Amino acid sequence: AQSVTQLDSQVPVFEEAPVELRCNYSSSVSVYLFWYVQYPNQGLQLLLKYLSGSTLVESINGFEAEFNKSQTSFHLRKPSVHISDTAEYFCAVRPVSGNTGKLIFGQGTTLQVKP
Amino acid sequence: NAGVMQNPRHLVRRRGQEARLRCSPMKGHSHVYWYRQLPEEGLKFMVYLQKENIIDESGMPKERFSAEFPKEGPSILRIQQVVRGDSAAYFCASSPLTGPEAFFGQGTRLTVV
Repeated sequence: AQSVTQLDSQVPVFEEAPVELRCNYSSSVSVYLFWYVQYPNQGLQLLLKYLSGSTLVESINGFEAEFNKSQTSFHLRKPSVHISDTAEYFCAVRPVSGNTGKLIFGQGTTLQVKP
Repeated sequence: NAGVMQNPRHLVRRRGQEARLRCSPMKGHSHVYWYRQLPEEGLKFMVYLQKENIIDESGMPKERFSAEFPKEGPSILRIQQVVRGDSAAYFCASSPLTGPEAFFGQGTRLTVV
């Protein structure tokens, strides 16, 4: 079985400051890792993913995440946030093998960007 | 290429009524997943379907909940005799035959009064 822990339920930060949203996972098998973003009353949008290869992955809007296998972490970072980044962020994992593609989500982290 | 379409976006039902939630996957996607998001919680997996088959229903409540993905038409999540605790946002996601990414719809927000 897999589990995902997002260590912070809320992260307040000022505009243009750096931010890190933490995600740790537990799994006895290899997993794919994802970050999704949810704006108020919207669905989830895929922000970035780690499937294989380079452990540092980047999104088009300045976010990046690094897969650390030894620490079983996949923290999300952005060097300078904008007001528009205010949203709920979810970390998720999915087993690489097996007959189910279900995602296991963390509890979510609310990023609140203040002017 | 339209995204995952869910309807209705908002649904209000009285206790004891039935709720039907619909999901049309992205074009070319043959895998559909349903998730439930309770207030202040993350998303919880409910069921995974392929056309005319339920692959994994380990997250479905044992009673009152059912799901289908017929050969033609959208996937349906059906909740019979709804109770207040069923109030939540229900999200559908789809993925292609190959590729591990899942793409989500806008969700259906069910309110039971």
